[in-house]
Amino acid sequence: GENVEQHPSTLSVQEGDSAVIKCTYSDSASNYFPWYKQELGKGPQLIIDIRSNVGEKKDQRIAVTLNKTAKHFSLHITETQPEDSAVYFCAAVKAAGNKLTFGGGTRVLVKP
Amino acid sequence: DSGVTQTPKHLITATGQRVTLRCSPRSGDLSVYWYQQSLDQGLQFLIQYYNGEERAKGNILERFSAQQFPDLHSELNLSSLELGDSALYFCASSVEGGKAEAFFGQGTRLTVV
Repeated sequence: GENVEQHPSTLSVQEGDSAVIKCTYSDSASNYFPWYKQELGKGPQLIIDIRSNVGEKKDQRIAVTLNKTAKHFSLHITETQPEDSAVYFCAAVKAAGNKLTFGGGTRVLVKP
Repeated sequence: DSGVTQTPKHLITATGQRVTLRCSPRSGDLSVYWYQQSLDQGLQFLIQYYNGEERAKGNILERFSAQQFPDLHSELNLSSLELGDSALYFCASSVEGGKAEAFFGQGTRLTVV
């Protein structure tokens, strides 16, 4: 089945700096790649996603890139703020299947 | 607010007992997924239902079962509970399987004592 690896597991950045989280997936049939942000005690919240026919997508301070050939996708957060501190999960969804396969998560800490 | 409602928010029960977790998907969503998140762990897929039918199964224990009702709400039943079953259980819903965005509820925190 699909396997998603996510790195790093923890990331500490200074406020205002950029943060980058990388994921790789194993199944070339995957065609939808969402990113979720989970704050303490809450459910994962969809923050941005990308489909396999697009290489890059941006929404204000966050952007995602996808390299289908290498089976890599990344989340970029610019001008980080303390409220960006959370656990971020990447996921991959196969074309023929429906479930989301998640990476292991990245705990991001933005230091003021 | 994602529109996905999970009840109860917290549940404390003893080993060997049985509990039922409930999920109401967003209006119009046909697919419901259940995930388990243990302390400081990732999101482990348990099971998915689509319009009342089981669509996919993950590493769900035989002691666990789920169903989706005609009104599309879903229940996850956990029986013969063990200490290791203590975790956050999340429900997510989407319009059409994996082709659309999935939205998560706030979860049920299960503590087995």
